[in-house]
Amino acid sequence: DVKVTQSSRYLVKRTGEKVFLECVQDMDHENMFWYRQDPGLGLRLIYFSYDVKMKEKGDIPEGYSVSREKKERFSLILESASTNQTSMYLCASSGRQGGDTQYFGPGTRLTVL
Amino acid sequence: AQSVTQPDIHITVSEGASLELRCNYSYGATPYLFWYVQSPGQGLQLLLKYFSGDTLVQGIKGFEAEFKRSQSSFNLRKPSVHWSDAAEYFCAVGVLKKGRTSGSRLTFGEGTQLTVNP
Repeated sequence: DVKVTQSSRYLVKRTGEKVFLECVQDMDHENMFWYRQDPGLGLRLIYFSYDVKMKEKGDIPEGYSVSREKKERFSLILESASTNQTSMYLCASSGRQGGDTQYFGPGTRLTVL
Repeated sequence: AQSVTQPDIHITVSEGASLELRCNYSYGATPYLFWYVQSPGQGLQLLLKYFSGDTLVQGIKGFEAEFKRSQSSFNLRKPSVHWSDAAEYFCAVGVLKKGRTSGSRLTFGEGTQLTVNP
């Protein structure tokens, strides 16, 4: 079974803090994605990566950055957290061997006070 | 750019009744289409997907969906709903970047919350 894990299920941070959300997949997938989920808005793509050290902006990249130093790990960074970044963050991965299906982690619920 | 609309924010059905969740998409070519389910506190699980071929797609947990190009729709159906089907359902359209063989970018609908009455 494909497994995508996220470092924390719940996280509480203060405004202005630097926040790291970590995602690890164990299926040797080429592609990894970060989404945020808000009620009534569905999931919106923040950033994605097709390969190590590569990244592309999604639909809502402002206020976020990412890092992919190893194939299995994709980090989302909030340089200076703000209250409007309080949300559920979901990581996903996909690859040719999975028929390009995206497999999701359990999510991290981030609260910024 | 592609878009997805799920017209029903919330649907309530009785256990044993049939279910249809609506999904309309906008995209210039034939897209990849997905239905995901999210149980409370969980990540998303794939129910089924359409890439090409037969327009009626079978998925897990007894779900099926039909791709109708003329209506730009990909509605999800189940003949008899179980209480465990209560969850939020997301339709998504995937677009593959030219020259790539994987890594479709997904655009999700707003989601439909399903409540099942005993």
